[in-house]
Amino acid sequence: QVQLVESGGGVVQPGASLRLSCVASGFTFSRFGMHWVRQAPGRGLEWLTLIRYDGTIQYYADSVKGRFTISRDDSKSTLYLQMNGLRADDTAVYYCARPDESCSNTACHFPYWGQGTLVTVSS
Amino acid sequence: EIVLTQSPATLSLSPGERATLSCRASESIYIYLAWYQQKPGQAPRLLIYDASNRATGIPARFSGSGSGTNFTLTISSLEPEDFAIYYCQQRSSWPPVTFGGGTKVEIK
Repeated sequence: QVQLVESGGGVVQPGASLRLSCVASGFTFSRFGMHWVRQAPGRGLEWLTLIRYDGTIQYYADSVKGRFTISRDDSKSTLYLQMNGLRADDTAVYYCARPDESCSNTACHFPYWGQGTLVTVSS
Repeated sequence: EIVLTQSPATLSLSPGERATLSCRASESIYIYLAWYQQKPGQAPRLLIYDASNRATGIPARFSGSGSGTNFTLTISSLEPEDFAIYYCQQRSSWPPVTFGGGTKVEIK
């Protein structure tokens, strides 16, 4: 069965960097584009970024463009989110999400989510 | 950016009642709308995709309808486990993929 396991969250100060990881299993990771979505405490869901299956193209929400970088290592079935210049409003649970097979390398709906990893940005 | 507006913000109903949730898009998104259920401390769960298709394992009491700018999620008879927050999401015009602000279905 499909599993996504995020890690790397924690408490950091404003301006710091953090790298999140998402280890995937139960499917052929290299065939799928992958996404990050976050949720601030008590708030709704915010899509952040997509990386295509081959890693050649990435898309970002304006709120993180230029600060966050998505990448992947297919040999490790792992998705990453490098977060630089963190701000208080980046405090959230960060989820990786796998799209449906029918739209796996474009904007899509998400049948599979990890459990999330909490990032807290505070001085 | 396409804005999704969900209404009402909160729906207070009793088990066994029918729930009707609305999601309105700021411009046409054709049928490219999904619905999710989220319970406290859990990841979202896909219920409906492409406006009216139930995801794998989703009970038949959940149904979706609509196209263009107006969409509806209906829960025909609320079960105790259905009290949660529901989000809509569009994939028609992106980036970014966008989500609605959510509707909380609470026990009356």
